[in-house]
Amino acid sequence: GAVVSQHPSWVICKSGTSVKIECRSLDFQATTMFWYRQFPKQSLMLMATSNEGSKATYEQGVEKDKFLINHASLTLSTLTVTSAHPEDSSFYICSACLAVSSYNEQFFGPGTRLTVL
Amino acid sequence: QKEVEQDPGPLSVPEGAIVSLNCTYSNSAFQYFMWYRQYSRKGPELLMYTYSSGNKEDGRFTAQVDKSSKYISLFIRDSQPSDSATYLCAMDSSYKLIFGSGTRLLVRP
Repeated sequence: GAVVSQHPSWVICKSGTSVKIECRSLDFQATTMFWYRQFPKQSLMLMATSNEGSKATYEQGVEKDKFLINHASLTLSTLTVTSAHPEDSSFYICSACLAVSSYNEQFFGPGTRLTVL
Repeated sequence: QKEVEQDPGPLSVPEGAIVSLNCTYSNSAFQYFMWYRQYSRKGPELLMYTYSSGNKEDGRFTAQVDKSSKYISLFIRDSQPSDSATYLCAMDSSYKLIFGSGTRLLVRP
């Protein structure tokens, strides 16, 4: 099956620093990638939709300047949390979309746990 | 009202039991219905997807969709301790997925 990786899997940083998370589709090309955020014991909340070569589309309430998304190639999207604060601590998960007929299946990465001190 | 409602559980069953997991939704435009399994601190993995109403079976798993009632179910037969995880329903809305809150399942040996 299609494999999506994320790096790093776990990061701790000081308040005010920026953190970059990479999402890669390893064995397929993904024109669309998604970024989600998940708080403990809660569901996945879509943050933004990332299309290769174009600007990301952010969901309502997600700060574009705080969560910078770059989708530079068909296999790589990055999420940068700028000037991170403790409230940004969360589990960040990406997914990459593989079109199967009319159904766009999303394959999820293993997630990145961010802890901001 | 949330677009997708799911009982968070936890649901605790003995090994070998039949498990029933359910979600309700409000948007009649949803056409694809998915069930994901998520182990602790891991990304979700797709178990099954169903288009429109009906049943779909895959091994010990059966997914049901009743669009008239806006209700979907996942049944797990002969549950195993390795099935212990959080199960998330999801629905496709204009190429975006809307997730339920997830049900934690614990299968006791």
